[in-house]
Amino acid sequence: QSALTQPASVSGSPGQSITISCTGTSSDVGGYNYVSWYQQHPGKAPKLMIYDVSNRPSGVPDRFSGSKSGNTASLTISGLQAEDEADYYCSSYTSSSIPWVFGGGTKLTVL
Amino acid sequence: QVQLQESGPGLVKPSQTLSLTCTVSGGSISSGGYYWSWIRQHPGKGLEWIGYIYYSGSTYYNPSLKSRVTISVDTSKNQFSLKLSSVTAADTAVYYCAREASSERAFDIWGQGTMVTVSS
Repeated sequence: QSALTQPASVSGSPGQSITISCTGTSSDVGGYNYVSWYQQHPGKAPKLMIYDVSNRPSGVPDRFSGSKSGNTASLTISGLQAEDEADYYCSSYTSSSIPWVFGGGTKLTVL
Repeated sequence: QVQLQESGPGLVKPSQTLSLTCTVSGGSISSGGYYWSWIRQHPGKGLEWIGYIYYSGSTYYNPSLKSRVTISVDTSKNQFSLKLSSVTAADTAVYYCAREASSERAFDIWGQGTMVTVSS
């Protein structure tokens, strides 16, 4: 069982917006602004999409945005495109015995 | 542009030691400001952080693996390595090396990953 809770799957049609949630505790998501999101296509390495809750690395489309409220972080993808279909993982810095925890991943299907 | 590349055996026998190396290109591992991590992904599952090393040699390991894990760095070769001892089938996974920027607190660069199967 992963430390952070994500929905197993979400779906949306091209052009629509979707949001993926990532729920933790006050020891991780709620306690630090160090939430990051990763996109992983099948057979590929994860790619950083969002860091520090809401910052986008250079080259990541502004269709991707992140936010946080309490112990829950969210990734929103607007204007869905076919190439957005992938698995998405959240991660957070934590005050527990390990510095990093991940969510179980969410499979995004673009209908 | 910094790139990471994992290398090592794809098949390891049970009870033996898994050894992987990550070669850093396009930048120096000694430049500071970065932590160099190993992360694994069991087939069809999520991500598990194994541990990291700083260029100075300081390390931090996942307590669940700490008794079996050693991460080392060779700055002269611009590489860092993972050793996982006494492996079992539960260690079968894709192993990634990744860079964490201390300023961003996220894994901004990943290797392509290498599949390691534990089987006799």
